[in-house]
Amino acid sequence: DGGITQSPKYLFRKEGQNVTLSCEQNLNHDAMYWYRQDPGQGLRLIYYSQIVNDFQKGDIAEGYSVSREKKESFPLTVTSAQKNPTAFYLCASSPSSGSYNEQFFGPGTRLTVL
Amino acid sequence: AQKITQTQPGMFVQEKEAVTLDCTYDTSDPSYGLFWYKQPSSGEMIFLIYQGSYDQQNATEGRYSLNFQKARKSANLVISASQLGDSAMYFCAMREALIKAAGNKLTFGGGTRVLVKP
Repeated sequence: DGGITQSPKYLFRKEGQNVTLSCEQNLNHDAMYWYRQDPGQGLRLIYYSQIVNDFQKGDIAEGYSVSREKKESFPLTVTSAQKNPTAFYLCASSPSSGSYNEQFFGPGTRLTVL
Repeated sequence: AQKITQTQPGMFVQEKEAVTLDCTYDTSDPSYGLFWYKQPSSGEMIFLIYQGSYDQQNATEGRYSLNFQKARKSANLVISASQLGDSAMYFCAMREALIKAAGNKLTFGGGTRVLVKP
């Protein structure tokens, strides 16, 4: 079955530590995205990548980093520079061509900073 | 400025009744797409319906329909015959610059929580 997997589902981190969230897709999509969701709010774009070895900052990129070495994978690192990292993180992917590109989402990772 | 505005933070609806969720948007791009997603308590985002700015007819998908009023820049979601499983957060989102192909970025509204009463 095609889809997007994110791991882990729950993640706990101590202050000052970097942590990496995994996102893998087998949909053969070119584009991938990372969003952050705070309680009771909408999604905000952190980073996105339209092609391997290329990515762009979204609206709230500070304190985060990404890599796109393989088409299937788009890991997100939450660095110690991120002031308030506790949130729900969602990864998504989509085809990059065409006028109608629904984004498919993974199940999310809930990060808590202790 | 907010690009996507959902003014209803929460709504109750009786089972089997219809409910309308409001969404207004702001863009100067003539080419854009509007999406609605459902987010149950599990957190996953489920795509519901899409409306392109050049589509002549309002989109429909099963019990979901989109009341697209381009001049008013609104794209309200109508859920007919509500079911208990419809209880969730609902998000409106917009993709701009379809023609420029500047990426498939989505801008999301703040969401509306729907609770269906038996």
